[in-house]
Amino acid sequence: DSGVTQTPKHLITATGQRVTLRCSPRSGDLSVYWYQQSLDQGLQFLIQYYNGEERAKGNILERFSAQQFPDLHSELNLSSLELGDSALYFCASSVGTGHNYEQYFGPGTRLTVT
Amino acid sequence: DQQVKQNSPSLSVQEGRISILNCDYTNSMFDYFLWYKKYPAEGPTFLISISSIKDKNEDGRFTVFLNKSAKHLSLHIVPSQPGDSAVYFCAASSQGGSEKLVFGKGTKLTVNP
Repeated sequence: DSGVTQTPKHLITATGQRVTLRCSPRSGDLSVYWYQQSLDQGLQFLIQYYNGEERAKGNILERFSAQQFPDLHSELNLSSLELGDSALYFCASSVGTGHNYEQYFGPGTRLTVT
Repeated sequence: DQQVKQNSPSLSVQEGRISILNCDYTNSMFDYFLWYKKYPAEGPTFLISISSIKDKNEDGRFTVFLNKSAKHLSLHIVPSQPGDSAVYFCAASSQGGSEKLVFGKGTKLTVNP
């Protein structure tokens, strides 16, 4: 158990809908990362927050947005869902921000868009 | 454009033998490399890392080798155990940019008893 929790574990929704994925980082971790793993892809970095502020952005679509709240939990919002958005979404957290801080991953949320 | 490549989707070895997982990268700005292990229905777990100032890092049965000139790294597991069966991801990052990790697509290792 990494200490990072993600809810829900599974989500099935229809095209055009909007969903929110939630992540609670490990206690004491200030940095939260979101990754997407599609069927034929490795993990793709989406976005990072550090202590409530956006720190880095990767291949995140404009239909997707995220935020980190004062209690440090984070939410990833996916809107106007398409079939291709079906994937595993992982959240990771780390103590600080810096490329040698170990990232601890949650178990992921499996999103299926039908 | 895939900056981190793991060209072998799968690898099968006998228990007790050496497992060698390979990874190539194209971005010369990468200066920190990591290996993650992933079991089904779980998130990736950090295994071992290496900075670009080193060419080898060892942690118990796991050793990572880095060849900067060839832009190649490898993970050696000796001796391999059935519990090592998992998907292994190579990842890289660069200082001076974000701390985002760029992952390969993974290699599924099966260690047969």
